[in-house]
Amino acid sequence: EAQLVQSGGDLVQPGGSLRLSCVVSGLTFSGYYMDWVRQAPGKGLEWLGHIRNKDHSYSTDYAACVKGRFTISRDDSKNSVFLEMNSLKIEDTAVYYCARVKGGRQGDLDYWGQGTLVTVSS
Amino acid sequence: DIQMTQSPSSVSASVGDRVTITCRASQGINSWLAWYQQKPGKAPKLLIYAASTMQGGVPSRFSGSGSGTDFTLTISSLQPEDFATYYCQQSNSLPYTFGQGTKLDIK
Repeated sequence: EAQLVQSGGDLVQPGGSLRLSCVVSGLTFSGYYMDWVRQAPGKGLEWLGHIRNKDHSYSTDYAACVKGRFTISRDDSKNSVFLEMNSLKIEDTAVYYCARVKGGRQGDLDYWGQGTLVTVSS
Repeated sequence: DIQMTQSPSSVSASVGDRVTITCRASQGINSWLAWYQQKPGKAPKLLIYAASTMQGGVPSRFSGSGSGTDFTLTISSLQPEDFATYYCQQSNSLPYTFGQGTKLDIK
């Protein structure tokens, strides 16, 4: 069974840091791009960024709202993708999802994690 | 950034109804459009990609059409499990942006 299992969500103070993890099982991982998407409470979906595969040098792109503060990385040997979040702001409070990009596509997300809640509050 | 605007923002319908949701891009995106369904407390589910290609396992009552700037998602005969929020997303240009969502609830 395909699974993306997320962990790392927590309550953190403004200005703090957090690292989210996403472990993929039952699916091919290494050849695929991986994305992060978030959803603030009661709001819509917001694309945060992606990491490409080895063939594309593990390059990354980010939304402007997180560029310079968030970093996406991956470890293909562990079928894992990570989201390192620094300088967190109250407006970063959201459920964060990892998702796999459908093969041969750019941004169509065919498998999703269960989501992990990040709360930024003093 | 490309802005994606969905209409309506919410719609009430009955089981068996035909429902159409529209998504408009602020500039042309060819056919780089996907539709997702999200139920409360759950992750989104990919329904359609490349504007009109159904993801495997998605019921045939769902269909998508359009290219350029105007797209539609149609549910031909609503079933109880279809009441959810629907999002479009463009992946033509970075950053890949979502529409604001359309909430479909029971009349």
